[in-house]
Amino acid sequence: DQQVKQNSPSLSVQEGRISILNCDYTNSMFDYFLWYKKYPAEGPTFLISISSIKDKNEDGRFTVFLNKSAKHLSLHIVPSQPGDSAVYFCAARNTGNQFYFGTGTSLTVIP
Amino acid sequence: SAVISQKPSRDICQRGTSLTIQCQVDSQVTMMFWYRQQPGQSLTLIATANQGSEATYESGFVIDKFPISRPNLTFSTLTVSNMSPEDSSIYLCSVGVSFEGEQYFGPGTRLTVT
Repeated sequence: DQQVKQNSPSLSVQEGRISILNCDYTNSMFDYFLWYKKYPAEGPTFLISISSIKDKNEDGRFTVFLNKSAKHLSLHIVPSQPGDSAVYFCAARNTGNQFYFGTGTSLTVIP
Repeated sequence: SAVISQKPSRDICQRGTSLTIQCQVDSQVTMMFWYRQQPGQSLTLIATANQGSEATYESGFVIDKFPISRPNLTFSTLTVSNMSPEDSSIYLCSVGVSFEGEQYFGPGTRLTVT
C-alpha cells in the first residue's frame, strides 16, 4: 500500500515561472514531511521539510505547503531555473521514525 | 553535512550469487538506513542498520536475504543474497542527520541480475 503518492510523473515549466509539485498521503500519523531532489546517477538531496504542526515553510525559492485536512502537501519553486530540472521526491516520517517516499515527479525547466 | 560513498557504483551479477555493498560515511552517525529503488518505483526502506546490534528490517525484507553489518558508526554493508532478476534495483544507503528526519544519501549502487 503506497502511503505517499505523487500522481504526476512529470512536469514541464518555463524558466522564471512557478513550479508546483504535489504529493498526497494517507497516514495521519506522519509527523514530518520532506522533499528531496535527485539528479541522474546521484543519491537524493534534501531540499526542505515541514512539521505536521505547521502549514508552510519557506527557504529561498522553495516553499512547502501542508494541508493536513486534505492530506496534501506541495512544493513551490519560484522562479524556476533550468538547474532545478531533476526528479523530486516527497517523503513522510511516522512517529516510529520510518520513512515513506513517493514515486517522484520529473521536473523539466525549459530555458 | 555528511559525505557518503558507496561501493560498487554498479554491478552485473548472475542469478544465485550474492553481492555485498559497502557504505562509508565521513563522520560518525547514529542513524543509517538502506533503501531500494526498483525501476519506476519509489524508494523503499529495507532496514535500519544499528551499530552493535541486529538491523531492524521493514515488512517484506528478511535478514537471510539482506544481511546487514554495522561494525562502527561510519560504516555499514548490505548483502543481497541468492540474487534473482527481481533484485535488479538501485540500492542506496543514507544517514539521518536531524530530528526532523533529514537524510543524506549515498550515490547508490545499480545492480543488474541476469
